[in-house]
Amino acid sequence: SYVLTQPPSVSVAPGKTASITCEGNNIGGKSVHWYQQKPGQAPLLVIHYDTDRPSGIPERFSGSNSGDTATLTISTVEAGDEADYYCQVWDSSSDHYVFGTGTKVTVL
Amino acid sequence: QVHLGESGGGVVQAGKSLRLSCAASGFNFNIFAMHWVRQAPGKGLEWVAFISSDGRIENYADSVKGRFTISRDNSENTLYLQMNSLRPEDTAVYFCTKDQRVGVAGSLGPWGRGTLVTVSS
Repeated sequence: SYVLTQPPSVSVAPGKTASITCEGNNIGGKSVHWYQQKPGQAPLLVIHYDTDRPSGIPERFSGSNSGDTATLTISTVEAGDEADYYCQVWDSSSDHYVFGTGTKVTVL
Repeated sequence: QVHLGESGGGVVQAGKSLRLSCAASGFNFNIFAMHWVRQAPGKGLEWVAFISSDGRIENYADSVKGRFTISRDNSENTLYLQMNSLRPEDTAVYFCTKDQRVGVAGSLGPWGRGTLVTVSS
């Protein structure tokens, strides 16, 4: 089965940039989606199809995807960005949806 | 405005069954594929099951295949998850969600708030 690996945690100072990676075999050949989840809340889609921001998501959130690594970048980080972030793909070989292991972003 | 509301969770003994429901509103339910995703306490997200818009195609994670059944009633705008032979490792918050785009296997959203299932041994 397809596996997506994320760093368990990322720490960033307010106003700085946070980068969260998502590693998978030839993930650059798939569409990657990113979700933000705050404690006790449902996940919220923040980036889909590698780089697209859904309506209402700030421009500070951006994505990229190439080779074996996809990246979610949060610019000018705010305290409200503190959350868990998950990447996700659809694996055509198994017809399964796959989530990454998740990254906890801490704003210092 | 899209709303997804899960119900049916609770505490159940291992080996027993439980049926979850998800009431949908604010969008054309019968043209979107739907999903169940779960999250064990303190753990990450795990996709559980998919059903096509017309209910003819189902797909399951290996961890639940043969024990769980996803279904939908398009006349009632409701999604279901029948869970049989429950195990302690099925303990989780169960979320329902939809394909973000019609007919595209891609992103998911929006999501319901989830319903907690606790399986005791």
